[in-house]
Amino acid sequence: QVQLMESGGGLVKPGGSLRLSCAASGFTFSDHYMTWVRQAPGKGLEWLSYISGGSTYTNYADSVKGRFTISRDNAKNSLYLEMNSLRAEDTAVYYCARAVDGGRYGAPYAYWGQGTLVTVSS
Amino acid sequence: EIVLTQSPGTLSLSPGERATLSCRASQSVSSNYLAWYQQKPGQAPRLLIYAASTRATGIPDRFSGSGSGTDFTLTITRLEPEDFAVFYCQQYVTSFAFGPGTKVEIK
Repeated sequence: QVQLMESGGGLVKPGGSLRLSCAASGFTFSDHYMTWVRQAPGKGLEWLSYISGGSTYTNYADSVKGRFTISRDNAKNSLYLEMNSLRAEDTAVYYCARAVDGGRYGAPYAYWGQGTLVTVSS
Repeated sequence: EIVLTQSPGTLSLSPGERATLSCRASQSVSSNYLAWYQQKPGQAPRLLIYAASTRATGIPDRFSGSGSGTDFTLTITRLEPEDFAVFYCQQYVTSFAFGPGTKVEIK
């Protein structure tokens, strides 16, 4: 079955960087768009970015454009999120997600990882 | 950019009652690219409904979605104890924004 597992979260100082990973299994990874979504403590869901199966297409929320970079390695069945210039407001649980079959630009999200917590604090 | 609003913010109901949740878009959601998710504390969201009215795999038929254009509704016909949670709508036309959520709590 489809499994997604995020890693790489932790405590980082403002202005710092962090790289999140998402290991995927149970499906042909290269066939699917993948997405990052985050949730600040006690807050709602925020879509961040998607990437197409062959990495041709990417898109970002305005809140992270220019600071975050999504990428993937299909040989390793892995999705990444490189986060730079981190701010306190980036503190959140970060989820990777995959769409239902036949989704649109990788949405909506039928499969989710368990999330990884990123805390930005001095 | 399509902005979603959800109402009410909180819905207090008893098990067995009917829940009606609203999601309104600031402009028309083309092709009904509207989804609903349920999230329980400490868990990842679960997809309930997509394309406004299509139940996701494994979702009980007490959950149904309806609507078009700018007004969408999630209905839970008879609340089960495990249904109490926060529910989010999401449009996937552009920017993929989520609504702010509706909490369904036990009365």
